[in-house]
Amino acid sequence: KQEVTQIPAALSVPEGENLVLNCSFTDSAIYNLQWFRQDPGKGLTSLLLIQSSQREQTSGRLNASLDKSSGRSTLYIAASQPGDSATYLCAVCSTLGRLYFGRGTQLTVWP
Amino acid sequence: KAGVTQTPRYLIKTRGQQVTLSCSPISGHRSVSWYQQTPGQGLQFLFEYFSETQRNKGNFPGRFSGRQFSNSRSEMNVSTLELGDSALYLCASSFLQGSNYGYTFGSGTRLTVV
Repeated sequence: KQEVTQIPAALSVPEGENLVLNCSFTDSAIYNLQWFRQDPGKGLTSLLLIQSSQREQTSGRLNASLDKSSGRSTLYIAASQPGDSATYLCAVCSTLGRLYFGRGTQLTVWP
Repeated sequence: KAGVTQTPRYLIKTRGQQVTLSCSPISGHRSVSWYQQTPGQGLQFLFEYFSETQRNKGNFPGRFSGRQFSNSRSEMNVSTLELGDSALYLCASSFLQGSNYGYTFGSGTRLTVV
């Protein structure tokens, strides 16, 4: 059974810092990996999608990498802002199309 | 284009009642998945429908059921509600099952069972 782990569970940083969120998964037979952001009481907003054949994807200040063989992905956030405060979720998509989620990293960026 | 629409946004029900939640996927999307999110268990997969057929099912009791209509809209039903069913229920749609386009989520339905 696929298990997804995210480290750290919580992170509190001052504005302007560059930071890295980590995600690991146990089964490398994945279709793709998706990073989401969730604001309190809200749904999930897709940030980046990495296909299993890709190594990384970039969108603005966000960069996500994927190492399928070692079962790891990282989300890099450059020059963090208070508006980045949210819970970040990593989800791996199995070959059957089912998403397996980590428990998330709760990020707080203070001014 | 319109996103994934879930209705209602909030719901309060009494133990023992049943409830039906609705999800309208992005136009053209044929895959609809349902997830339950609770503080204790995180996000857990309920089931996935593609072209009106249930393709995948998670480890939830038979009280949880769903269906998909010909226009790809999906409903999820929970019968004989229990306090532990209180959760945020999220619906996600995709063009194809496990497609290269990933999944788009709705804003969810917050169900409270009292």
